[in-house]
Amino acid sequence: AQSVAQPEDQVNVAEGNPLTVKCTYSVSGNPYLFWYVQYPNRGLQFLLKYITGDNLVKGSYGFEAEFNKSQTSFHLKKPSALVSDSALYFCAVRDARQGDYKLSFGAGTTVTVRA
Amino acid sequence: DAGITQSPRHKVTETGTPVTLRCHQTENHRYMYWYRQDPGHGLRLIHYSYGVKDTDKGEVSDGYSVSRSKTEDFLLTLESATSSQTSVYFCATGLAGGNEQFFGPGTRLTVL
Repeated sequence: AQSVAQPEDQVNVAEGNPLTVKCTYSVSGNPYLFWYVQYPNRGLQFLLKYITGDNLVKGSYGFEAEFNKSQTSFHLKKPSALVSDSALYFCAVRDARQGDYKLSFGAGTTVTVRA
Repeated sequence: DAGITQSPRHKVTETGTPVTLRCHQTENHRYMYWYRQDPGHGLRLIHYSYGVKDTDKGEVSDGYSVSRSKTEDFLLTLESATSSQTSVYFCATGLAGGNEQFFGPGTRLTVL
């Protein structure tokens, strides 16, 4: 079984401040982890992924995420948030052993960046 | 959106009527997925396909069926729509051996 928890429904930050969106996961084998962003009335856009290697992963639009195996976490971060980062963010996981490539998504975190 | 289109984009229907949603891709991706998005639940997998005529159930498959007769098309059918199936439906594709999925723009379905 695999699952993801996003403990915060909403995150509010001021523009220019650091942004963190939290994600913890549960899988039986090794995890493949993903972050997606969804803007209003749009589909999900891929931000970044962790498959193997360096625990700090860099992605699109200045976002990065840190894989922490001991804490089973994969938090999304941005050093300086922009108003345009306001959106719905989803963390997803799949078990590396799966051959069907199914992802399990968290419930999502709404990020609001105020000017 | 990686060459993925969904039709219709919006639909309002009545309880008990059949509904078919279409996903079309131009990327020649092997894997295709149907999700529904509901507040507080994120995305939940309905059905997926790992090749032409090869499909399997996801976590919320009751009341839904799928078909894939061509690589590029993946159809989702609600045999008899219910109000609980009011949702936003997303199609996604993925490569064999790949990892991330690519999403379509979504279909907003309202069942009255």
